[in-house]
Amino acid sequence: QKEVEQNSGPLSVPEGAIASLNCTYSDRVSQSFFWYRQYSGKSPELIMSIYSNGDKEDGRFTAQLNKASQYVSLLIRDSQPSDSATYLCAVELNTGNQFYFGTGTSLTVIP
Amino acid sequence: KAGVTQTPRYLIKTRGQQVTLSCSPISGHRSVSWYQQTPGQGLQFLFEYFSETQRNKGNFPGRFSGRQFSNSRSEMNVSTLELGDSALYLCASSFGGRGADTQYFGPGTRLTVL
Repeated sequence: QKEVEQNSGPLSVPEGAIASLNCTYSDRVSQSFFWYRQYSGKSPELIMSIYSNGDKEDGRFTAQLNKASQYVSLLIRDSQPSDSATYLCAVELNTGNQFYFGTGTSLTVIP
Repeated sequence: KAGVTQTPRYLIKTRGQQVTLSCSPISGHRSVSWYQQTPGQGLQFLFEYFSETQRNKGNFPGRFSGRQFSNSRSEMNVSTLELGDSALYLCASSFGGRGADTQYFGPGTRLTVL
């Protein structure tokens, strides 16, 4: 079992819709969770971090964490064509400073 | 504040050669992690350095090695290159504290092995 799993997609949503990206992880005691966005040919850029159960909102982005279910998600409201990218879920292992990444979900927002 | 920088951005090597990649972290960051990214495997953790010491290591063969200097700059070396080493090599820097540490990525070095 991989440490971090994501649906590879591709996920397509129309412009203005809500995109929902999901991630599960295997290390039950992980404490830190991250979402990165990666455009084709570019390096990952941090979108959000979340450490506590519940929701964390930042503009059009909402991260949701459920440690009991070992599940973290990212919602993108009012999706824009510029949101088209691969979204990577990352988990920091409990040992600290070692991060595991999912293989990413490819999102396409259709104008 | 300047971001993470990596040099060179592109490299072409042949099988059997060795290569050294360089990473300069964000000012104040003491941790540097290296990743290999390929289309099939995604981002895979190579190793992490903190205060000139390798603190964490992924599951890569000994041909992959690294080091960190006193100014936190890091280098990664791959010896006896294989075709399968063709990938985007990313480094990421962070403060390096235990827990709630956030990594920021450099632009990457694209290595092609012929």
